[in-house]
Amino acid sequence: TQLLEQSPQFLSIQEGENLTVYCNSSSVFSSLQWYRQEPGEGPVLLVTVVTGGEVKKLKRLTFQFGDARKDSSLHITAAQPGDTGLYLCAGEETSGSRLTFGEGTQLTVNP
Amino acid sequence: ETGVTQSPTHLIKTRGQQVTLRCSSQSGHNTVSWYQQALGQGPQFIFQYYREEENGRGNFPPRFSGLQFPNYSSELNVNALELDDSALYLCASSFPRLGLTDTQYFGPGTRLTVL
Repeated sequence: TQLLEQSPQFLSIQEGENLTVYCNSSSVFSSLQWYRQEPGEGPVLLVTVVTGGEVKKLKRLTFQFGDARKDSSLHITAAQPGDTGLYLCAGEETSGSRLTFGEGTQLTVNP
Repeated sequence: ETGVTQSPTHLIKTRGQQVTLRCSSQSGHNTVSWYQQALGQGPQFIFQYYREEENGRGNFPPRFSGLQFPNYSSELNVNALELDDSALYLCASSFPRLGLTDTQYFGPGTRLTVL
């Protein structure tokens, strides 16, 4: 069974600060996806990384996939209260297969 | 194009009862995956249906069962409910293509409470 460890589990910061969330595994995934989930809603896909060493940017969010395709990070620059939510990483074993999720990082950005 | 919808939104049951949750996949999608998300945790894979056949199952007991219909909508059935079955049940639909990364689109979930 492939496992994804996400850290930190909780993060409370002030508006304008930077933060990084980590997602680590001992297994290789064909792709790794980052989701954001609001209370009472399903996860919404932010980005998919596929190639080892890949870096993707989405406005103030930067996603990186490790060279060995076992770990990933999400960096948020100048966090805003609207960034508050549960951030989940999920690995896909093969295309079209199940997603293995991390435990999530609950981010709170205080104004 | 409509997104993934789930019904009901909320449900309260008692131990030992049975429940059926429903999911309508996004237009054009032929694959539905079900996940269980306990409070404060990430979603756990229950099973996946592809073209009406089960296509992979997670570590859940047989009292968790499912169906996929010709229109690719799906049901999740849980028999003999236990307190630990209380969770948000998420349905995700996709259209996997060989060699390409699959994107699963999630519905809003059904919040099941077992008393």
